[in-house]
Amino acid sequence: RKEVEQDPGPFNVPEGATVAFNCTYSNSASQSFFWYRQDCRKEPKLLMSVYSSGNEDGRFTAQLNRASQYISLLIRDSKLSDSATYLCAVVTDSWGKLQFGAGTQVVVTP
Amino acid sequence: SAVISQKPSRDICQRGTSLTIQCQVDSQVTMMFWYRQQPGQSLTLIATANQGSEATYESGFVIDKFPISRPNLTFSTLTVSNMSPEDSSIYLCSVEDPLRTSYNEQFFGPGTRLTVL
Repeated sequence: RKEVEQDPGPFNVPEGATVAFNCTYSNSASQSFFWYRQDCRKEPKLLMSVYSSGNEDGRFTAQLNRASQYISLLIRDSKLSDSATYLCAVVTDSWGKLQFGAGTQVVVTP
Repeated sequence: SAVISQKPSRDICQRGTSLTIQCQVDSQVTMMFWYRQQPGQSLTLIATANQGSEATYESGFVIDKFPISRPNLTFSTLTVSNMSPEDSSIYLCSVEDPLRTSYNEQFFGPGTRLTVL
C-alpha cells in the first residue's frame, strides 16, 4: 500500500459547482498535512496547511479525519482558474520529510 | 515565504555526462530538500540536505549517482551523474519556511527540466 494515495481523477467540474476529493495516508503517527496546487509544467505551490480542526481559506476548505486517516479538500464556486493538479502531502518524520500523493486532476469547464 | 531560484531552468544532455543543478534561497534555512518528478508522476524525495553534514538519501537514491553539496544556509547543489534517458525528469529543490518551521511547510523552487538523450 502506498503511504499517500489520491484519486487521480480527472474531476470534471462545471464552473460554479463544488468539488471535493480525499487523500488517504497510512502512517497514523503523521502530524502535518498539506494541499499543494500544481499547474502544468510548474512547481507545486502550497495551497493550504491542514489543521486538526480543519481550516478554510476563501472558497477552499480542508479537513482532517484522523480516525479514518484521510484529509479532504473542498472547492466551492469553482473557477476556470482552479483547473490544476492538487497534491496532498504528509509529513512522515521529525525532520519534516514530505511524502506526496500522485495528485488529483481537476478540470473546471465553462 | 522564501524566494527560491534554480539554475539551469532546463537542459538537454547527452547520456554519460553529468549535470549540476543549483538552488539558491534568499534567506537562511536549515533544511533543504531535493525532489524528482518524472513525467506524469508525483514528487519523489531524493535526499535531505543540512548544512555542515552529509545529505540523507532516500531508498533507491545513492550518493554516487546524486552527490549533493550544502556549503552554507542559503545554497545547495544536486549533481545528476553519468546520466541516462531514465534520468529525464524535473528536479526541484524545496525549503521549509524559515519563519514557520514548526509547521513543516515547504516551498519549492521553479524546477530544472532535464532531458537526457
